[in-house]
Amino acid sequence: AQSVAQPEDQVNVAEGNPLTVKCTYSVSGNPYLFWYVQYPNRGLQFLLKYITGDNLVKGSYGFEAEFNKSQTSFHLKKPSALVSDSALYFCAVRDPNHYKLSFGAGTTVTVRA
Amino acid sequence: GAVVSQHPSWVICKSGTSVKIECRSLDFQATTMFWYRQFPKQSLMLMATSNEGSKATYEQGVEKDKFLINHASLTLSTLTVTSAHPEDSSFYICSARKLRQGSNSPLHFGNGTRLTVT
Repeated sequence: AQSVAQPEDQVNVAEGNPLTVKCTYSVSGNPYLFWYVQYPNRGLQFLLKYITGDNLVKGSYGFEAEFNKSQTSFHLKKPSALVSDSALYFCAVRDPNHYKLSFGAGTTVTVRA
Repeated sequence: GAVVSQHPSWVICKSGTSVKIECRSLDFQATTMFWYRQFPKQSLMLMATSNEGSKATYEQGVEKDKFLINHASLTLSTLTVTSAHPEDSSFYICSARKLRQGSNSPLHFGNGTRLTVT
């Protein structure tokens, strides 16, 4: 079975400060990992993914994520957060043999001006 | 590209009535569509996987007679909540996988439908 855990319900940072949203995963075999962002009453927008290759993945809106196999983590990062980054962030994992995505519980990010 | 349109974006209905939600892939063909349910400030719960031209596969605990899914074409899947009750009130989101898209590609999500049953 595959699963992801987002240990923080909320992350609060000041604008201009670095932002990190944590995610750990559990899957048999090599994982496909994704980050999505959701704004209020909207669907999910894809940010980035890790499939293979470089452990540091760059995505949309200045976000990046680092895949760490030994720690089974895939933390989302942004060097300088913006107020507009305030949203709900989901980490997701997919077993390469299936198309189903398993989502974490989500982390609400609030960036204060 | 890869736009998924979901309609309606919100709907209010009376208890006992049925509501149909549409999910359309506007600029691509979708062999598989997924229907999710999301409760406030919670994660997405996969309800069912819908393949074009075949019966949907429901996740454990999801009543298939209550949540009817039809995927009649490569660009349209519908979810009908039958005999809706207040506990069915939720945010429903669909996502679509492009035809011939590999499993390492991201899914494309609709903007969701807020259902309120009074």
